Formats: sequence, C-alpha cells, structure tokens
Amino acid sequence: QSALTQPPSASGSPGQSVTISCTGASSDFGGYNYVSWYQQHPGKAPKLMIYEVSKRPSGVPDRFSGSKSGNTASLTVSGLQAEDEADYYCSSYALGVFGTGTKVTVL
Amino acid sequence: QVQLQQSGPGLVKPSQTLSLTCAISGDSLSSNSASWNWIRQSASRGLEWLGRTSYRSKWYNEYAVSVKSRISINPDTSKNQFSLLLNSVTPEDTAVYYCARARNSGYDVWGLGDLVTVSS
Repeated sequence: QSALTQPPSASGSPGQSVTISCTGASSDFGGYNYVSWYQQHPGKAPKLMIYEVSKRPSGVPDRFSGSKSGNTASLTVSGLQAEDEADYYCSSYALGVFGTGTKVTVL
Repeated sequence: QVQLQQSGPGLVKPSQTLSLTCAISGDSLSSNSASWNWIRQSASRGLEWLGRTSYRSKWYNEYAVSVKSRISINPDTSKNQFSLLLNSVTPEDTAVYYCARARNSGYDVWGLGDLVTVSS
C-alpha cells in the first residue's frame, strides 16, 4: 500500500486555525472510517490525537478536530498554541499505512 | 496506566536478524479489544507499519507487504510481551522501532522507541 499524501508543511499565527489534508490513492481509503491522526514532537513517540476520523481520546483538547470526505481526511487545529508546533501524521489502520507527515509551524 | 517497555540490541550486522521485545504492563496481550503492533520510522521511509498480532479466540498476525517475507511477530502470554524478528536486514532497515497498542483503530499507547542501526 502506498503512503497517504499530506502537504509537507503548514503554518499559522497563535490563535489562528490550520487544516491538514490526508489523501489516499485508493478507493479503499474512502471506504473505511479507520483514520487516525498523530502529533509528534522531536525525539518523542507519536501521540494519538484523533481516531475513527473525528473522535478525540481523553485528554486531547477540543481544539483538535477531524473530518473526512471521500478519499481525503482532514485535521483542523483551532486556536493555535505554541505547543502545537510539531509533525502531524495521518494513518489508516485498515490499510496499514501512515501519511507522509506535515510539519506545523506556529509563527 | 498502560505502558510498553521495549528492549533489544541497537546494532545489527547486515544479513543478520533484528530482534526486539515489547513488554506490556497495565493490559493483557490476550485482550480481545486490542492489537499489538510494530512500527518503524526513518528519514527516508517516514512512519511505516510493519505488522501486528491480536487475539480473537485465536492468534492472528498481519504483516506489511514490504517486509512480509522477512518478518515474524510472536506473542508470549507467559511474559505478557510480544517480539519482532526481522531477518536478512540491510542498512535500509536502520530506523527507530516502536511497539504500539491499537484500540478502536488508533495506536493509543506507544513505546519510547529504539534506534536500531544496521552496520558492519
């Protein structure tokens, strides 16, 4: 399976919103709601932020939200804070693939 | 609180077998609502899922196509841990290796990660 495609970078000022896309090449991606999103700070393990497209694990701020339309999933971070600066990855559990990763910079 | 403790050598010679173990605390390897995964990360390949083991009345293993001919993931219920064996390694297998639990299709608990270097 090919990796899911994400933009290499995204940025926003504190308080603004940023949206990251995640596109799957196959219709299989669109057929499953097993999309999750991960935040990774340098030198650390990834952290689950969103699962099953739009659900937030306990402890994840509601500034993080997810959605999906067809073959594209999206992660939106609202009210950007300095600590949101990190790499973000999407994943399809059913397909066993991760996205290419997006570096989010808080300006 | 679920924790995953990884162990294994950080240096493996080319053509040899990479072996890592992930010990689970706070959950059961035999849980019927979780799967136990190995994932690696390198600058060249990004995050790459390698495979998983899960128990649903019997043990199931699934492996990524890219490593299917070289990989084995083995559960050890007596020690509540699972292991990764990757044989015939090359420098391309140099990466940080993570074990991770998956529930509800999300990898919700991760080990700290082990850098494994393949070099003579």
